[in-house]
Amino acid sequence: AQSVSQHNHHVILSEAASLELGCNYSYGGTVNLFWYVQYPGQHLQLLLKYFSGDPLVKGIKGFEAEFIKSKFSFNLRKPSVQWSDTAEYFCAVILSNSGNTPLVFGKGTRLSVIA
Amino acid sequence: DAGVIQSPRHEVTEMGQEVTLRCKPISGHNSLFWYRQTMMRGLELLIYFNNNVPIDDSGMPEDRFSAKMPNASFSTLKIQPSEPRDSAVYFCASSLVTGPLTEAFFGQGTRLTVV
Repeated sequence: AQSVSQHNHHVILSEAASLELGCNYSYGGTVNLFWYVQYPGQHLQLLLKYFSGDPLVKGIKGFEAEFIKSKFSFNLRKPSVQWSDTAEYFCAVILSNSGNTPLVFGKGTRLSVIA
Repeated sequence: DAGVIQSPRHEVTEMGQEVTLRCKPISGHNSLFWYRQTMMRGLELLIYFNNNVPIDDSGMPEDRFSAKMPNASFSTLKIQPSEPRDSAVYFCASSLVTGPLTEAFFGQGTRLTVV
């Protein structure tokens, strides 16, 4: 079965620091990859997604993620975080040729940005 | 569109009582997903529907949980009888899927507390 691993449970950064959140998935086939963000008390919102093409994907709010197929990874990055980026971040995956199947999520990484 | 609408936003109930969570997907979407979020287990898929038909309910914890989708615009998740370990945030998500899933839109969630 597919699984998604997010290495860091909780990350604490100062404002303007660079961010990288790790995500690895277990399936070796063709996958579609997603990062969702959940701000405190809110629902999950899509940050970015990768289906094919350029492995470096740009998302909203200055986030980007790089798909490295050989490492089964899809790490999320941002050059300079802001206090408003404090949230929980979820990596998710589906098999791209599996038809109509749901997202499988990692357990999430909580990001706290301090002044 | 108002997005995925869940009700109630918060529910506090006593152990043994029946709890019904409701979801109205985005109009025109043909897939609906119920997820449960806890600190320990992260986001877990409980069940999903395609065109109102339950496809995979293997994530439903036990027989106390049941879900229905009587029509394209409404779904319920019922817990009977409820137990304290059911306390969690329950999310409903919907998507328009014509092939592989491209994006799931989440509701605000229902925070359930069973005392």
